[in-house]
Amino acid sequence: GAVVSQHPSRVICKSGTSVKIECRSLDFQATTMFWYRQFPKQSLMLMATSNEGSKATYEQGVEKDKFLINHASLTLSTLTVTSAHPEDSSFYICSAREFGSLGQSSEQFFGPGTRLTVL
Amino acid sequence: AQSVTQLGSHVSVSEGALVLLRCNYSSSVPPYLFWYVQYPNQGLQLLLKYTSAATLVKGINGFEAEFKKSETSFHLTKPSAHMSDAAEYFCAVSEGRSQGNLIFGKGTKLSVKP
Repeated sequence: GAVVSQHPSRVICKSGTSVKIECRSLDFQATTMFWYRQFPKQSLMLMATSNEGSKATYEQGVEKDKFLINHASLTLSTLTVTSAHPEDSSFYICSAREFGSLGQSSEQFFGPGTRLTVL
Repeated sequence: AQSVTQLGSHVSVSEGALVLLRCNYSSSVPPYLFWYVQYPNQGLQLLLKYTSAATLVKGINGFEAEFKKSETSFHLTKPSAHMSDAAEYFCAVSEGRSQGNLIFGKGTKLSVKP
């Protein structure tokens, strides 16, 4: 299957700083990328959907000014957590999806996740 | 609106025993259904998916699931559990052909006892 990478895999930062997480599709062009957040022992909650070259669509309750998403190319999307606070500590997972030649969407391929700890 | 319910947040089986993880869905359109596995501190790996073809779907690592429209269920089974199957399992649904956003269940943690 297709491979999606995330960097960094783990980050610890001080409260008030900003953290950038990268999501890359390594062997396919991802027209759409998704960002999820997972709290301990809970399911994945979709934060936002980004399409290459356009603004991200955020889910209800997700602060767009706090979680900045950029999808500047077909293989890279970034999530920046601005002015991070301890409550932002979580496991962030991205996924990527490509569209087939007939315009149909394909399955999502998930990255390995990034563990963010804000002190 | 679509939703997924996974019955049992924690299932424990003995090694070699049958694994049964339950998933019921709600969807107003023909759904696509997925089972993912997550090992600690890792992302999600697709086990299998139902996309309106055969109702009995075989996946990786010996898992399979059966789509039952009348019961709105997509339960995951494996005849004989292995220690390496211990992980978190998520059922997910998306709208059929458009394969919109995935809606995940809350997950079921599978423990395997020696």
